[in-house]
Amino acid sequence: AQRVTQPEKLLSVFKGAPVELKCNYSYSGSPELFWYVQYSRQRLQLLLRHISRESIKGFTADLNKGETSFHLKKPFAQEEDSAMYYCALFGGYNKLIFGAGTRLAVHP
Amino acid sequence: DTGVSQDPRHKITKRGQNVTFRCDPISEHNRLYWYRQTLGQGPEFLTYFQNEAQLEKSRLLSDRFSAERPKGSFSTLEIQRTEQGDSAMYLCASNPQATSGNTIYFGEGSWLTVV
Repeated sequence: AQRVTQPEKLLSVFKGAPVELKCNYSYSGSPELFWYVQYSRQRLQLLLRHISRESIKGFTADLNKGETSFHLKKPFAQEEDSAMYYCALFGGYNKLIFGAGTRLAVHP
Repeated sequence: DTGVSQDPRHKITKRGQNVTFRCDPISEHNRLYWYRQTLGQGPEFLTYFQNEAQLEKSRLLSDRFSAERPKGSFSTLEIQRTEQGDSAMYLCASNPQATSGNTIYFGEGSWLTVV
């Protein structure tokens, strides 16, 4: 079965602290992994995907096939990073499967 | 704004009534998706279209739900005989398939409240 697990519902940090949002997946083939972000009162939007290996707004994520993980990291959190973050898997059935999401709260 | 648009943005209906949501995808996107999202959960896949063909439906999509994309452009999602458990955000998304891989682009969603 294809599944995405985000173990933390809420991650609360202070501005300038490092951030790591955890994501684990279950898929037997070669997955395509994404992070989507939803800021308050805005639509879900793509943050980054592992294929492009980009760094967006200071966030990076590395696919670890051995640990079946795709954790999202940022070395220094900013208040404007406060949002809902969803990890998603495109596992070959032509659809994205999402985790339950983690709310990141960055305090001044 | 040339993104995915959805209408209406909010709908309050009485239990037992029918509701219909419309989605206009990004122009020339041939894949169109419907998802449902409830509080505290990530989006759950409902169905998707490749042009006008509905290629997959989730088990979540009961017989009371029907989706169409008659000309391969806009899509409608109809819920008949609504129940309180249908209260959720209904998200539409689209993907051009050929040019952006599997990245899908979401609309702002249609909130449904069944009272």
